[in-house]
Amino acid sequence: QVQLVQSGAEEKKPGDSVTVSCKASGYTFTAYYIHWVRQAPGQGLEWMGRINPNNGGSNYVDKFQGRVTMTRDTSISTVYMDLNRLTSDDTAVYYCARDGASNMYFQLWGQGTLVTVSS
Amino acid sequence: QTAVTQEPSFSVSPGGTVTLTCGLGSGSVSTSHYPSWYQQTPGQAPRTLIYATNTRSSGVPDRFSGSILGNKAALTITGAQADDECDYYCMLYMGSAIWAFGGGTKLTVL
Repeated sequence: QVQLVQSGAEEKKPGDSVTVSCKASGYTFTAYYIHWVRQAPGQGLEWMGRINPNNGGSNYVDKFQGRVTMTRDTSISTVYMDLNRLTSDDTAVYYCARDGASNMYFQLWGQGTLVTVSS
Repeated sequence: QTAVTQEPSFSVSPGGTVTLTCGLGSGSVSTSHYPSWYQQTPGQAPRTLIYATNTRSSGVPDRFSGSILGNKAALTITGAQADDECDYYCMLYMGSAIWAFGGGTKLTVL
C-alpha cells in the first residue's frame, strides 16, 4: 500500500526544537520529492520546503530559512523535518506530501502531525 | 513573494454549479504555474483533486474540472453535493523550486 505515515503529536515549549518524521512505503522512496506543508489552527495550508530523497538536496521557503532542516534516511525510507527556535506561532499540523509523477503537485499526503508550542 | 488569492467563501445550491478561482496578487496565472487543487474536510489531510491545470487525480469524479479562466486558474464543481461542503485550496508553482498555496475557499452547499 502506497502511503506516508507520520510520527505522533508533539508538545514543546518556546525555544525548543521539534523533529517530525514521515515514513514512506509502497513505492520507490528515492523516486519522488517529499514536501512539508503546515496548517495553523483555523488557517490555510503553507508550503515550507521539499527534499529530494535521492540525494538529500533540499530547499525551503524564505520564511523558514535558517530554522528548518529536512533530511532523509534511505535505509528506512523516512524523511525528517526539524524546526528549531519554536514559538507559539509554530503551533500547527505538519503534513508531509509526496510529488506526483510530474513533480509539480502533491499526489500523496501523510496523516499530519500536530505540534503544539506552549509555555 | 506574490500572494496567491482565493475567494474566502462561496455558496452553491445542491445540484448547482460553482467556479472557484485562484489568482496572483500581481500578474496572471498560466499553465506554467501548474495549478493544482486540493480538497480538505475538517480534521483530515488534504485530498488532491486536480493537477497541471485540468487533470483529475485518480478517483476524482468528473463533476470536478480545472481550467484557466482569464488571468486565473479555476475549479468548477457541477452538480454540487452536500459532501462537497469543505475547504478548497489551490497551489501554484512560483518558479525556482518554490510553491505557494492560496488562502483557501470555504464552500457552503445550501
